[in-house]
Amino acid sequence: SQQGEEDPQALSIQEGENATMNCSYKTSINNLQWYRQNSGRGLVHLILIRSNEREKHSGRLRVTLDTSKKSSSLLITASRAADTASYFCATAPIMDSNYQLIWGAGTKLIIKP
Amino acid sequence: NAGVTQTPKFQVLKTGQSMTLQCAQDMNHEYMSWYRQDPGMGLRLIHYSVGAGITDQGEVPNGYNVSRSTTEDFPLRLLSAAPSQTSVYFCASSYATAKYGYTFGSGTRLTVV
Repeated sequence: SQQGEEDPQALSIQEGENATMNCSYKTSINNLQWYRQNSGRGLVHLILIRSNEREKHSGRLRVTLDTSKKSSSLLITASRAADTASYFCATAPIMDSNYQLIWGAGTKLIIKP
Repeated sequence: NAGVTQTPKFQVLKTGQSMTLQCAQDMNHEYMSWYRQDPGMGLRLIHYSVGAGITDQGEVPNGYNVSRSTTEDFPLRLLSAAPSQTSVYFCASSYATAKYGYTFGSGTRLTVV
């Protein structure tokens, strides 16, 4: 069952612009994670934000979490061609004692040169 | 440090054949899991393990078996391949469940004809 739902499903922007992707979820969480998947490759962990955190940064990435709205956003600043990939959010629901991640279907980001 | 290693990268099976997908990690992670990824869908959990000797079913376990005799290895067995099992399979590991980020292997692309 999908807990996280990314929005938009696809995003195409010019190189140098900022890209924003959103993730909504349904139940209370321990943490929310963002991953990147380049075409035909495995997923790469980008950022983990815990339920008591509101914002985290990693290089050109900024993640926010609003637990009252059950939503998160991933901002990529000054996009590059190498950022072309699919981006997935995954949530770790509190009610799952084993804390299994539940995945969204992803946002496909295309950076045009 | 190799991370998570999956073999083979590609495989074609005939309906009814069996095979084992290999997964090994060298990070001393307790948690390991198998996912399948189908077009337009998020990752779906097949089986997971929270430590050597312990395995449990995920969302889509039918037709698959796992074992965890060592911390390092977590093979996935397809008992009698069916066309519905055509997918990309990913192995992932974590220090301890979804409280931490996952490290993914590069995937096995399986086609069942």
